[in-house]
Amino acid sequence: RKEVEQDPGPFNVPEGATVAFNCTYSNSASQSFFWYRQDCRKEPKLLMSVYSSGNEDGRFTAQLNKASQYVSLLIRDSQPSDSATYLCAVVGSNYGGSQGNLIFGKGTKLSVKP
Amino acid sequence: NAGVTQTPKFQVLKTGQSMTLQCAQDMNHEYMSWYRQDPGMGLRLIHYSVGAGITDQGEVPNGYNVSRSTTEDFPLRLLSAAPSQTSVYFCASSYGTGMYQETQYFGPGTRLLVL
Repeated sequence: RKEVEQDPGPFNVPEGATVAFNCTYSNSASQSFFWYRQDCRKEPKLLMSVYSSGNEDGRFTAQLNKASQYVSLLIRDSQPSDSATYLCAVVGSNYGGSQGNLIFGKGTKLSVKP
Repeated sequence: NAGVTQTPKFQVLKTGQSMTLQCAQDMNHEYMSWYRQDPGMGLRLIHYSVGAGITDQGEVPNGYNVSRSTTEDFPLRLLSAAPSQTSVYFCASSYGTGMYQETQYFGPGTRLLVL
């Protein structure tokens, strides 16, 4: 199982839609989970941290299910400005250099059409 | 507060050349890291440091060296550039390490093309 896996996407949705991204992870010991947003040709920027069961910020809701080892991101009333790639990040567990470091999924691209 | 800065923004190298990518942060973060991002591969960890004088290898360290002589600076050296090292390189820093990672802040990236 890969350390962090995300929905492959891309997601093409109309403005106002609700869209959900899932991220599964393999390190059951991780205590830190993040969703980052990355615009084209830019650096990733933190969207939300998820330290317990979940987190909500306006139209964005992140949920954590430790038993099933997944993190989800829900975007309500999506806007064209939400178009970006969304990266899930989890603390890694493999001995190949990822242990104790943030490991990122490959990202899911979202396009919101007006 | 400049955050994480990287130089240069763009670089073209010939195969076999060496160069250093600079990274600096002014947030007094102990943890710093280098990632490369390639299409379809996501962000992959190259090297990281948990404090001045301490560095370690990430997932894809071959062909790269790092050093951490100060808390602020974490340069990445390409020893002998190869076309496979064409990528976008991001430097990041944060407070936490281990299983309780804190938010990582990224620099703007360096786009490297190796011919």
